Amino acid sequence: AQKITQTQPGMFVQEKEAVTLDCTYDTSDQSYGLFWYKQPSSGEMIFLIYQGSYDEQNATEGRYSLNFQKARKSANLVISASQLGDSAMYFCAMREGGDYGQNFVFGPGTRLSVLP
Amino acid sequence: DSGVTQTPKHLITATGQRVTLRCSPRSGDLSVYWYQQSLDQGLQFLIQYYNGEERAKGNILERFSAQQFPDLHSELNLSSLELGDSALYFCASSTRFGSVRETQYFGPGTRLLVL
Repeated sequence: AQKITQTQPGMFVQEKEAVTLDCTYDTSDQSYGLFWYKQPSSGEMIFLIYQGSYDEQNATEGRYSLNFQKARKSANLVISASQLGDSAMYFCAMREGGDYGQNFVFGPGTRLSVLP
Repeated sequence: DSGVTQTPKHLITATGQRVTLRCSPRSGDLSVYWYQQSLDQGLQFLIQYYNGEERAKGNILERFSAQQFPDLHSELNLSSLELGDSALYFCASSTRFGSVRETQYFGPGTRLLVL
């Protein structure tokens, strides 16, 4: 079964508007971490934001915030005031507990296009 | 700049050949991961090392091998290359290994093209 689901293969947003990228996850662990990465067309993977399962507040990093709904097992990324430079692939990832590398899993990604 | 370095940036080679990709983790990071990203397969976890020891294996082919050296840099060896091995290969490093707060920081990747 897929551990990370990103149901939007592609999204469009107008410049300066806010956009939400969806991510749902599947785990039976109580303790886990959720991450978002950005991959622009140049190829590098850039870490954006982290949310811990026990964190009471939604994580924020500048224009990025994470809408964490634990009961629904969702960790949606919200980008406020979109910029042309936000056009990229966005990956949601989860880290479960334990010391095995396979505990870090990525979703299939969402391609965001920001329109001028 | 994540602090993770990968060389070379681009590699073009022929089928049947062998190549070595190199990665230097961020200063202080003991854990190194290798990933393969192709258009049809997404980001695939290959293998992970922690302080010189192999800790986990993912979808790594038998033709591929890796190691982490005492200075913590890592090499991924790809042999008997096939057209389907053409992909972007990432190395990532992390601190807090074993913790759910572990964040992986990625290198710029090596783009491999097998002709």
